[in-house]
Amino acid sequence: GDQVEQSPSALSLHEGTDSALRCNFTTTMRSVQWFRQNSRGSLISLFYLASGTKENGRLKSAFDSKERRYSTLHIRDAQLEDSGTYFCAAERKQQGTGSKLSFGKGAKLTVSP
Amino acid sequence: DTTVKQNPRYKLARVGKPVNLICSQTMNHDTMYWYQKKPNQAPKLLLFYYDKILNREADTFEKFQSSRPNNSFCSLYIGSAGLEYSAMYLCASSRGWFSYEQYFGPGTRLTVL
Repeated sequence: GDQVEQSPSALSLHEGTDSALRCNFTTTMRSVQWFRQNSRGSLISLFYLASGTKENGRLKSAFDSKERRYSTLHIRDAQLEDSGTYFCAAERKQQGTGSKLSFGKGAKLTVSP
Repeated sequence: DTTVKQNPRYKLARVGKPVNLICSQTMNHDTMYWYQKKPNQAPKLLLFYYDKILNREADTFEKFQSSRPNNSFCSLYIGSAGLEYSAMYLCASSRGWFSYEQYFGPGTRLTVL
């Protein structure tokens, strides 16, 4: 079954506002990656976290280090160019089969003036 | 250089014809992955190589083949394309067996007519 639940599935923001996306995991995960899909359909990596938080400009991501069951992506001062579909992907904690990412279904962000 | 390259960027194929997609990386990564991405869906893992060992997902086992002639290159082969194969195909690589960031290529958009 689905191991990554991403919410919300769609979000509309005005320029300059702040918001957050969240991914809940049905099991303990080793690490999480956040991506933005560009207009061509390619995935642009935003963050990789094995624990804690990372920040890059107006984006900040956190991975619950204790239970390892959720991650968030915060967007500060949203700009028009932030519009797009964001995916989280988490690495399952399992033996013997290597690193596999389970992706969320994506969150479509629309930023308007 | 953390670039994963994919060729071609766009591919048009006829139903029933074979398709071969190429991926390369120069990061000396042990693991290379192939994902299929359709609009409004999460990327779906098709298979991955850890070193020379190929792991194929159970539900796509018979639909896709792959080869990895050396550490840098990995191909995805479709023996007989069907309309349902139209999608973006994303290649990724990571340094090791688990708990490493996956680096994605720009993708190959395959259209089957």
